[in-house]
Amino acid sequence: NAGVMQNPRHLVRRRGQEARLRCSPMKGHSHVYWYRQLPEEGLKFMVYLQKENIIDESGMPKERFSAEFPKEGPSILRIQQVVRGDSAAYFCASSVQDRNTEAFFGQGTRLTVV
Amino acid sequence: GENVEQHPSTLSVQEGDSAVIKCTYSDSASNYFPWYKQELGKGPQLIIDIRSNVGEKKDQRIAVTLNKTAKHFSLHITETQPEDSAVYFCAPGGYNKLIFGAGTRLAVHP
Repeated sequence: NAGVMQNPRHLVRRRGQEARLRCSPMKGHSHVYWYRQLPEEGLKFMVYLQKENIIDESGMPKERFSAEFPKEGPSILRIQQVVRGDSAAYFCASSVQDRNTEAFFGQGTRLTVV
Repeated sequence: GENVEQHPSTLSVQEGDSAVIKCTYSDSASNYFPWYKQELGKGPQLIIDIRSNVGEKKDQRIAVTLNKTAKHFSLHITETQPEDSAVYFCAPGGYNKLIFGAGTRLAVHP
């Protein structure tokens, strides 16, 4: 059973471009979470999705950021018109249910905006 | 929202010593209390967790204790080894999401 798969591992974008980060949850997991981590800091919650639904997006910036988890395929975190401040590690986690259960993390995508 | 604090922010011990990291939280509705270990360049990995109906849980050299009345829980690592060196995060939660502390950088010196 493969773990949570994120790709790409490293992504470089110029200011103004779009970044697309992908996350395939563990087999059998229908709950996906996205977190952002700045250097030397903790993980900040961004969004929680179930298949085809956004459940909690309270941590998502109001503009330029969006997330989806379609019925088929990976979850996508999309950042439009990237700026230098978007440079961070973005982690995806999945779980089998939403309450009191272990969340398994991927290895992250390190986004660098130049 | 939930306020989570970890102490200390850095911890340096000699190999074989014990290490204790404390996490305090504000949301009384939290009922799931995990600790994650993050090594350089990797994602967080769950090392131990406890639920609100249990006061203590142990797994070999690692233990977690919970004081729900005082709203804090602690990670205990005994007989530390150099490979325990990493950043440790508490992430209390319940429904929908885990809220991470700022992390504790543990250095174990041979």
